[in-house]
Amino acid sequence: AQSVTQLGSHVSVSEGALVLLRCNYSSSVPPYLFWYVQYPNQGLQLLLKYTSAATLVKGINGFEAEFKKSETSFHLTKPSAHMSDAAEYFCAVTYTGGFKTIFGAGTRLFVKA
Amino acid sequence: EPEVTQTPSHQVTQMGQEVILRCVPISNHLYFYWYRQILGQKVEFLVSFYNNEISEKSEIFDDQFSVERPDGSNFTLKIRSTKLEDSAMYFCASSEWAGSGTEAFFGQGTRLTVV
Repeated sequence: AQSVTQLGSHVSVSEGALVLLRCNYSSSVPPYLFWYVQYPNQGLQLLLKYTSAATLVKGINGFEAEFKKSETSFHLTKPSAHMSDAAEYFCAVTYTGGFKTIFGAGTRLFVKA
Repeated sequence: EPEVTQTPSHQVTQMGQEVILRCVPISNHLYFYWYRQILGQKVEFLVSFYNNEISEKSEIFDDQFSVERPDGSNFTLKIRSTKLEDSAMYFCASSEWAGSGTEAFFGQGTRLTVV
């Protein structure tokens, strides 16, 4: 069965520091992987997605993620955190023939001044 | 930019009442979905809908729930007799295709509070 595990329900970084949010997937078929961001009281916005074209994926707001099949990981990074990055981040997976997006539990990012 | 719109943004209802949550998916999308997020928890899949029928549903989507595409633009989720535990944020989503790397576009959500 397909699933996604996000390590760390809360991550706190200082403004300007590296952001690293971890995601590992489990899939018996080639996965398609996504990162969504949810700002307080808002909906889900797509940050970036992996669809097998390139293993390093760049998204909006300076975020990027690298698909590593050997590690079954799709970690999200940003070189320098900004206060506006404070939000909940969800890793998610779909797969060919599937009708649903499967979400991880989410990681709440705090950015300290 | 096209977007998925949901109404209302907030709804308060009494336990046992029926509620209908409404969504207007992106116009050229063919697949429609409802997800639920209980406060502080993960986003959970409820149901997917294609070609006027349910293509997949989760264990959460029991007989109390139903979906409908009453016309060419709206997609609704009905909860027949609400329970306290139905209180959650409900997200509608749509996509051009299913799987194959096509992302789902999500609406802003309807916060349902059952009292």
